[in-house]
Amino acid sequence: SYILTQPPSVSVAPGKTARITCGGSNIGSKSVQWYQQRPGQAPLLVIYYDTDRPSGIPERFSGSNSGNTATLTISRVEAGDEADYYCQVWDGSSDHYVFGGGTKVTVL
Amino acid sequence: EVHLAESGGGLMQPGGSLRLSCAASGFIVSNYYMSWVRQAPGKGLEWVSVIYSGGNTFYADSVKGRFSISRDNSKSTLYLQMHGLRVEDTAVYYCTRGGGSGTYFWDWGQGTLVTVSS
Repeated sequence: SYILTQPPSVSVAPGKTARITCGGSNIGSKSVQWYQQRPGQAPLLVIYYDTDRPSGIPERFSGSNSGNTATLTISRVEAGDEADYYCQVWDGSSDHYVFGGGTKVTVL
Repeated sequence: EVHLAESGGGLMQPGGSLRLSCAASGFIVSNYYMSWVRQAPGKGLEWVSVIYSGGNTFYADSVKGRFSISRDNSKSTLYLQMHGLRVEDTAVYYCTRGGGSGTYFWDWGQGTLVTVSS
C-alpha cells in the first residue's frame, strides 16, 4: 500500500513562512491534497490538485509537488493557522485514499 | 449550500453492530463519490470506505468484510453499516463528498463519535 510521510510538527513565528512536506514514492505523478484541521473541528480542504485553492482559502496557502515530495507552504503565518495539516492522495491502483500522518503547526 | 449531517454514533460493546447515517442536502448524492473517513482519539485521519457515483464500493483493509457502505438516493442519505466492532474502531466518523474526479474530499460533515468498549 502507498505510504505518505509527514513531519510530526513544525513551529513558525508569526509573519514567517511555514513549509510542510509530504513524502511518497514518485508522489509527483499523483495529485496531492492538503487539509487543515483546527482543534475540535472537521478537516477543511485548503489545496487540491497539488496547487489549487478552494474559494475562501487565502492566497497565503500554496502547494507544490515534484519527485518524491509535495509541499504545503503557508506564507505570512498568522495565529489562526495553528492547526493539524494532512496531505492526501488517491491510489488508483487500489481505489484507496491515503492520508499522511499529519503535521501539527505551532505558531510561536 | 452543501450540508452533511452524520448520526448514529454511540457506545458499543466489542462484536456489536451499528449503522451510521449521513443526511445530505444541497446536492444529489448519487452524482458524487461519497466516503467515510474516521479519526481515532488523538490520531490522524483514516479513509474507511467510498461509494462511487456508479455504485462501486471500496474499503480500507482494516474494515473490509466487516463494514458496508450504501446510499438511499430517495432519502439523500449515505450509510455505513458496521459489524464485528473492535476497540480499534473507536473514532469520530466523518461523511465526505468527493470533489472533482472524486479523488479528494471537498465537503465534510461534523462527524459522529463511535466508542467501542467493554
